[in-house]
Amino acid sequence: GAVVSQHPSRVICKSGTSVKIECRSLDFQATTMFWYRQFPKQSLMLMATSNEGSKATYEQGVEKDKFLINHASLTLSTLTVTSAHPEDSSFYICSARRPGHTSHGYTFGSGTRLTVV
Amino acid sequence: SQQGEEDPQALSIQEGENATMNCSYKTSINNLQWYRQNSGRGLVHLILIRSNEREKHSGRLRVTLDTSKKSSSLLITASRAADTASYFCATPPSGGYQKVTFGIGTKLQVIP
Repeated sequence: GAVVSQHPSRVICKSGTSVKIECRSLDFQATTMFWYRQFPKQSLMLMATSNEGSKATYEQGVEKDKFLINHASLTLSTLTVTSAHPEDSSFYICSARRPGHTSHGYTFGSGTRLTVV
Repeated sequence: SQQGEEDPQALSIQEGENATMNCSYKTSINNLQWYRQNSGRGLVHLILIRSNEREKHSGRLRVTLDTSKKSSSLLITASRAADTASYFCATPPSGGYQKVTFGIGTKLQVIP
């Protein structure tokens, strides 16, 4: 089945620094990946759609300059949280779907717990 | 984008009992998907039901879809402690690579 690997699973960083989160599709090529953010006991909030070879599409209210998305290859999308602040602490999850597999759902990474201190 | 709304928000049952969760959505769909999330982990796809299907089974899971009422239900039979998780429904917009949005989910606790 389709596998999406997300790294790191946990990261603690100091306020003001930047953190990069990677999302890889291991056994398929993903022209589109999605990045979500989840606060404790809440649902997933879609942040942006990552498109291979082009700019990401951000949801309303999501700062493009703060959450930089790069989808340079068909198997890798990265989310960089720039100048992180404590309010950016959250659980970040990526997802993708194997092309042509319309009968299947989306495959999610295992998530990254970001803590900004 | 569309958003499923799950009901109830929290459910606590004894091991062995059946658990039923419901999902309502607002506009036309091609399919409806159910996902499970264990605490602090990513989502796992459980089952997808197409708009022209009314019922689908997968192991201990049974999903129904009523497009006239714009609702779906997920039944977990003979629940186990390992079924403890949050369950979300998702209703992607029609066609192509469209973003999937989620409701707040149902938090299921199965007591051993």
